[in-house]
Amino acid sequence: GIQVEQSPPDLILQEGANSTLRCNFSDSVNNLQWFHQNPWGQLINLFYIPSGTKQNGRLSATTVVTERYSLLYISSSQTTDSGVYFCAVEWYGGATNKLIFGTGTLLAVQP
Amino acid sequence: EAGVTQSPTHLIKTRGQQATLRCSPISGHTSVYWYQQALGLGLQFLLWYDEGEERNRGNFPPRFSGRQFPNYSSELNVNALELEDSALYLCASSLLGGSQETQYFGPGTRLLVL
Repeated sequence: GIQVEQSPPDLILQEGANSTLRCNFSDSVNNLQWFHQNPWGQLINLFYIPSGTKQNGRLSATTVVTERYSLLYISSSQTTDSGVYFCAVEWYGGATNKLIFGTGTLLAVQP
Repeated sequence: EAGVTQSPTHLIKTRGQQATLRCSPISGHTSVYWYQQALGLGLQFLLWYDEGEERNRGNFPPRFSGRQFPNYSSELNVNALELEDSALYLCASSLLGGSQETQYFGPGTRLLVL
């Protein structure tokens, strides 16, 4: 099956700093989404980005399908950005509509 | 527009009992998905329902089952509960059930099995 790995596993930032989170996947994918899981467990959609680049405020994401990775950029981080960030893919060679989640990056933003 | 809703928010059961978790999709969405997030195991796909039919299931035993109602809401039933079933159960919905659609998640139900 497909492997979805995220790095770094943990990240501690000071408020105002920038960060880059990475998601590597081992095979072709149909779909890639980035989520932020808040401390209460809610998964919040950040981006649907199977390819290309998108921006939403302080967040942006890029997926390079030929090299099988996606990046999530967080600029001017705030304490409310803390939580776990997941990427999830729909594997081209697997069952459709089944999201396979990465291992997550735990982000802590300190004031 | 209301998002995906789940009930209850928390559920405490003892080993061997049955648990029923409920999910209402975003209005207009026909597909419902269930995922389990257990400590140390990450987020794993459980079940997918579309138009009242089970379309796909993950690598879980048959005591995990569910159904989708005509109004597209869904139930997840877990029979003969085991301690390792303690987890956050997340429901998601998508518009038409086609591939490459965005899935939107609910707040989850925390199940604790004692």
